[in-house]
Amino acid sequence: EPEVTQTPSHQVTQMGQEVILRCVPISNHLYFYWYRQILGQKVEFLVSFYNNEISEKSEIFDDQFSVERPDGSNFTLKIRSTKLEDSAMYFCASSDGTSGRFWQETQYFGPGTRLLVL
Amino acid sequence: ELKVEQNPLFLSMQEGKNYTIYCNYSTTSDRLYWYRQDPGKSLESLFVLLSNGAVKQEGRLMASLDTKARLSTLHITAAVHDLSATYFCAGLSEYGNKLVFGAGTILRVKS
Repeated sequence: EPEVTQTPSHQVTQMGQEVILRCVPISNHLYFYWYRQILGQKVEFLVSFYNNEISEKSEIFDDQFSVERPDGSNFTLKIRSTKLEDSAMYFCASSDGTSGRFWQETQYFGPGTRLLVL
Repeated sequence: ELKVEQNPLFLSMQEGKNYTIYCNYSTTSDRLYWYRQDPGKSLESLFVLLSNGAVKQEGRLMASLDTKARLSTLHITAAVHDLSATYFCAGLSEYGNKLVFGAGTILRVKS
């Protein structure tokens, strides 16, 4: 069964460093998302991406964050200058998008990247 | 803005017992999703509920949606240890496609 994959599974970085989290959405899916989950807390939406542009973003997704689809398969989240509070599990998700009724579509989540900022 | 509240936040059950997790949401988006998360793992889609009165069942889990009450329930029948996990409900934002999650219910099934 097709699945969303993410790399790396774990990343440790120093405060102020840039990190890039990588995702390969399910092939032929058109909508892509990033969510994060701080340890012990709820899952929070960061950004959605469709047709090579951001379709929605949350207040968390400030100028330090950016997303890109550099080729036909990868979807990346970049954090330019990491802060301690960026430590979290970051989930990529994708949904089909071809039905024209995205609200009926399941968002499939990847295994996550656990980011620790020291 | 959509808000989603779940209760209880923690549920300890004996095997074989029944229980219900409740999910209230604040706006009329009326699309409700249930996910399961095992410790340290990703989110696994369980149910997608799209209309008033929708009821879906998979094994010992049954989910329903009452859009008038803005309430979804996840009913567990004859719990088994394998159901131990965290269960999240999520609503879809009214004008976009972002999921807004509840705080999650940690379910522990004891033998």
